[in-house]
Amino acid sequence: EPEVTQTPSHQVTQMGQEVILRCVPISNHLYFYWYRQILGQKVEFLVSFYNNEISEKSEIFDDQFSVERPDGSNFTLKIRSTKLEDSAMYFCASRREKTSPLHFGNGTRLTVT
Amino acid sequence: AQSVTQLDSQVPVFEEAPVELRCNYSSSVSVYLFWYVQYPNQGLQLLLKYLSGSTLVKGINGFEAEFNKSQTSFHLRKPSVHISDTAEYFCAVSDGGQAGTALIFGKGTTLSVSS
Repeated sequence: EPEVTQTPSHQVTQMGQEVILRCVPISNHLYFYWYRQILGQKVEFLVSFYNNEISEKSEIFDDQFSVERPDGSNFTLKIRSTKLEDSAMYFCASRREKTSPLHFGNGTRLTVT
Repeated sequence: AQSVTQLDSQVPVFEEAPVELRCNYSSSVSVYLFWYVQYPNQGLQLLLKYLSGSTLVKGINGFEAEFNKSQTSFHLRKPSVHISDTAEYFCAVSDGGQAGTALIFGKGTTLSVSS
C-alpha cells in the first residue's frame, strides 16, 4: 500500500536556524497537510495545500513558516528561524479527495536547542 | 468552528475486557468524523470514519464507533481488547461541506491494556 514518507525522522537544530522538513505524499493525492504534535499534547493543524496554494492555515502558521511543492512529488515545510517552542513531531498528511481519510507519514521529530 | 472533546485522557483496562473511548464534537455544520490510532514513535493510522449513511461504523482491529447526531458523539468501542491495542487514540472532525478542510483533533485518550 502506498505511504506518505517523511525525512528526516529526527532533526536537531540550533535556535535561529532554518529547517526544511520533507514529505513525499501519496502520488495521486491532491490535498496536502502539515500537522504538529508537541510532546504530550494534541495533534494540531498547521496548514493545508491544494492546487498549488495554501487553502487553510492555523494561527500557529505564522510568517516563520512556509510550504512548497517544488517538483510535483515533494511537499516541504520550512521554518525560517526556529524557536525552542518549535520542538515537536511534525506530521505530513495527504488525501485524494475531501471525503477520503488522511494518510499520515511517520513524522519528523524536530528538536530545537 | 469545530471542536472535539475527548473526556478521558487515560483509560486503563484489562486484557479481554470491553472498552469505550468517548468523543464529543461541536459543529454548526455537517461533519465527517474519524478515529485515528497512534502507536509509540509512529504516525497516525486511520481506524474508522463516518461520512454518511449507517451510524454504526466498523473499522480495523475489531473497533467500531457509533455516530449519534442528537448527542453529538462518536464513541469508539471494542468488545474485547488485546495488549497490542495499547496506544493513543484520537478523535477528529472535519467540515462535511468544504473542500480540503483540515481535521481538528481531540487531545487524545491513552488506552493502556494490561494482563
